[in-house]
Amino acid sequence: QQQVKQSPQSLIVQKGGISIINCAYENTAFDYFPWYQQFPGKGPALLIAIRPDVSEKKEGRFTISFNKSAKQFSLHIMDSQPGDSATYFCAASLQVNYGGSQGNLIFGKGTKLSVKP
Amino acid sequence: EAGVAQSPRYKIIEKRQSVAFWCNPISGHATLYWYQQILGQGPKLLIQFQNNGVVDDSQLPKDRFSAERLKGVDSTLKIQPAKLEDSAVYLCASSLGAGTIQETQYFGPGTRLLVL
Repeated sequence: QQQVKQSPQSLIVQKGGISIINCAYENTAFDYFPWYQQFPGKGPALLIAIRPDVSEKKEGRFTISFNKSAKQFSLHIMDSQPGDSATYFCAASLQVNYGGSQGNLIFGKGTKLSVKP
Repeated sequence: EAGVAQSPRYKIIEKRQSVAFWCNPISGHATLYWYQQILGQGPKLLIQFQNNGVVDDSQLPKDRFSAERLKGVDSTLKIQPAKLEDSAVYLCASSLGAGTIQETQYFGPGTRLLVL
């Protein structure tokens, strides 16, 4: 119930196309859903995050769509660029102090995105 | 603003040897995390410190792993003795540590450990 399932494992998109990565969760107590971007040899960096009181959040070319009833959320990268080639991780966490939680992040297994020029 | 610093960047050891990793968080960040990232997987939390106290070490294999955060700033993670399955990237992260909401975690570049 603490898992976050991410798909696909890898994704190849043409420059200018739309990249879509999906995540699903089981624990309805999760209330924070960030996406992290990781380049080779670097640590993950926060890209965008959403809370379940909204269904969509957009920052530049990156959009999170959130479906609370389906317990799913997805990352959409519009106008994908070669510089977006990286591994993307979705994550989820419980509210701080919920059941003793410290708000720790539970990560998906990652999606390796390659954007072809 | 300087980011999270980690050293060494790479380490190769033989099984049953010991190894230590060092982390210096972003200045002023009260919360520090150590994660293990096995190849092809997402980071998994090992231990979380709030200042110099442990708030979550439920996933730390305490028979071989230990961590400390002296004076609430730098931290070291030690493995003794190492096993083959400990081969992974060890990531350190820090956050402001307001304590009431989830906060952005800033990650260091990690230490890549190979156990032979």
